[in-house]
Amino acid sequence: EPEVTQTPSHQVTQMGQEVILRCVPISNHLYFYWYRQILGQKVEFLVSFYNNEISEKSEIFDDQFSVERPDGSNFTLKIRSTKLEDSAMYFCASTLTGSNYGYTFGSGTRLTVV
Amino acid sequence: QKEVEQDPGPLSVPEGAIVSLNCTYSNSAFQYFMWYRQYSRKGPELLMYTYSSGNKEDGRFTAQVDKSSKYISLFIRDSQPSDSATYLCAMSVGPNSNSGYALNFGKGTSLLVTP
Repeated sequence: EPEVTQTPSHQVTQMGQEVILRCVPISNHLYFYWYRQILGQKVEFLVSFYNNEISEKSEIFDDQFSVERPDGSNFTLKIRSTKLEDSAMYFCASTLTGSNYGYTFGSGTRLTVV
Repeated sequence: QKEVEQDPGPLSVPEGAIVSLNCTYSNSAFQYFMWYRQYSRKGPELLMYTYSSGNKEDGRFTAQVDKSSKYISLFIRDSQPSDSATYLCAMSVGPNSNSGYALNFGKGTSLLVTP
């Protein structure tokens, strides 16, 4: 069964450093998403991406965050200057048509900011 | 105002029991309702998907949506130890131009089914 692949599975970074989280969505999917889950909290929507541009973003997704699809297969989330409160699980997801039904999540990247 | 509320549990039941999981919500614009299962250190996995009000059954799982009460439920019949996981409700308004469907999640209920 097709999977959404995320790397690395765990990243530790120092406060103020830039991090890039990587995702390989399912190959024929067209809509891409990032969500995050702070320990003990809800899974929260960050951003959706379609047709090579951001189509919707939440209040969390401020100027520190950016997304990119650099090569037609990878989908990245960059955090420019990490803060302690950015520590969370970050999930990438993709869908073919944008519908709820086809949502496939990756296994996540655990980001720890120290 | 929290949009989606879900009791985090934990909920512990014996094998074979019927499990009832619930969420309430405040945004009357939600039209699409989902239940996800999440194992430790894994991403959410879609279990059930319902549009608007009504019931939907899939094997041992039944999802119910009552939009008038802003209340959704997931029932698991003949629960098994392998059902032990965190169950997340999620909902969305629907497509927003080209953005697809941004999901609003509950906090998740931790379920343990004991042999």
